[in-house]
Amino acid sequence: GAVVSQHPSRVICKSGTSVKIECRSLDFQATTMFWYRQFPKQSLMLMATSNEGSKATYEQGVEKDKFLINHASLTLSTLTVTSAHPEDSSFYICSAIPGLGVGGQFFGPGTRLTVL
Amino acid sequence: AQTVTQSQPEMSVQEAETVTLSCTYDTSENNYYLFWYKQPPSRQMILVIRQEAYKQQNATENRFSVNFQKAAKSFSLKISDSQLGDTAMYFCAFMKKSGGSNYKLTFGKGTLLTVNP
Repeated sequence: GAVVSQHPSRVICKSGTSVKIECRSLDFQATTMFWYRQFPKQSLMLMATSNEGSKATYEQGVEKDKFLINHASLTLSTLTVTSAHPEDSSFYICSAIPGLGVGGQFFGPGTRLTVL
Repeated sequence: AQTVTQSQPEMSVQEAETVTLSCTYDTSENNYYLFWYKQPPSRQMILVIRQEAYKQQNATENRFSVNFQKAAKSFSLKISDSQLGDTAMYFCAFMKKSGGSNYKLTFGKGTLLTVNP
């Protein structure tokens, strides 16, 4: 149980375009999902907390208008990188919490974004 | 705010041997959870083990066990009978039990463990 999927696993786009990444909880409902960014050989950096039916809560320094988050159902959250630039190239990971959350977060396999 | 420190950026161990990864944390909370996550080369984050702070008994999961010292704010991970598949980055993480944290995790910087044949 507690399986989280992410799509796509890899995406290459041109500078100035927008890219949408989907995060799904496959066998549980998740009122809360998280979006992280990870640079090579570094830890995960929390970007935002996504709550079903309400606005996402962004961490300090994360641009809300650039990283749009939508959590429209209990099993799906999306991250849209708008007007992507090469510096947005990174590994993006989502996670979700089943039940009361005390079991910890369960992570998707990640999305490698490359902006040319 | 909570902080999590992993003082060993890299470690290596021979296959079948035992290795211990260190983690210390700082918090003023009394009730919280601690986790070890593993990130192999595939980059999929995998939950290895969790510990509830109010439980004195150390958590174990097969070859993985922890040494939880609440007073010292220490939470080390012991891997017994190391296997090649244990090669990964290991992250220690802290989560408050209640009150507005929204189940956020605070991660350490990670320890890269290499198991040598």
